[in-house]
Amino acid sequence: TQLLEQSPQFLSIQEGENLTVYCNSSSVFSSLQWYRQEPGEGPVLLVTVVTGGEVKKLKRLTFQFGDARKDSSLHITAAQPGDTGLYLCAGHGSSNTGKLIFGQGTTLQVKP
Amino acid sequence: GAGVSQSPSNKVTEKGKDVELRCDPISGHTALYWYRQSLGQGLEFLIYFQGNSAPDKSGLPSDRFSAERTGGSVSTLTIQRTQQEDSAVYLCASSLGGGFGDGYTFGSGTRLTVV
Repeated sequence: TQLLEQSPQFLSIQEGENLTVYCNSSSVFSSLQWYRQEPGEGPVLLVTVVTGGEVKKLKRLTFQFGDARKDSSLHITAAQPGDTGLYLCAGHGSSNTGKLIFGQGTTLQVKP
Repeated sequence: GAGVSQSPSNKVTEKGKDVELRCDPISGHTALYWYRQSLGQGLEFLIYFQGNSAPDKSGLPSDRFSAERTGGSVSTLTIQRTQQEDSAVYLCASSLGGGFGDGYTFGSGTRLTVV
């Protein structure tokens, strides 16, 4: 069974601080995605990474896929209150159904 | 429509009753997925549709859960004889082809409360 473990599970920081969220597995994933979810809404796709070692930037967010495609990280620079939410990593595993396996999520609170 | 639509948005039901949850995916998206999310947690896979077929039902928790999709579009998730442990947010998502790297577009979910 392929699993994705996220850390930390909860993060409460002040506006302007930097943070990193980690997503780890013992299995190889063909691609990995990051989603952000706000209360009462469904998750929204932020980025997809497919190549080992790939780095993608989305404004103040930097996403990295590990060389071995078993792990990923999300780094936020100068966090703002609008970044508050549940961050989920998800990977396409070994099945060919396109099914995504989700991590348990990291709840981020950015205080003004 | 422009996005994935789910109805109802909230459902409160008595233990033992049956419920139907509906999902309208993005037009043209052939892949449709149902997930379940407990409070503040990650998403638990339930079932995947490609067109009207369900090649992966491995996440359905018991035979009280069933789902169908018609016309390659609308899907309904039915839970029979609901139990309190069925309380959760049920999320539907669609993607263009269901291939690797395809991103999901999620609906806002149906919050099910069994009392």
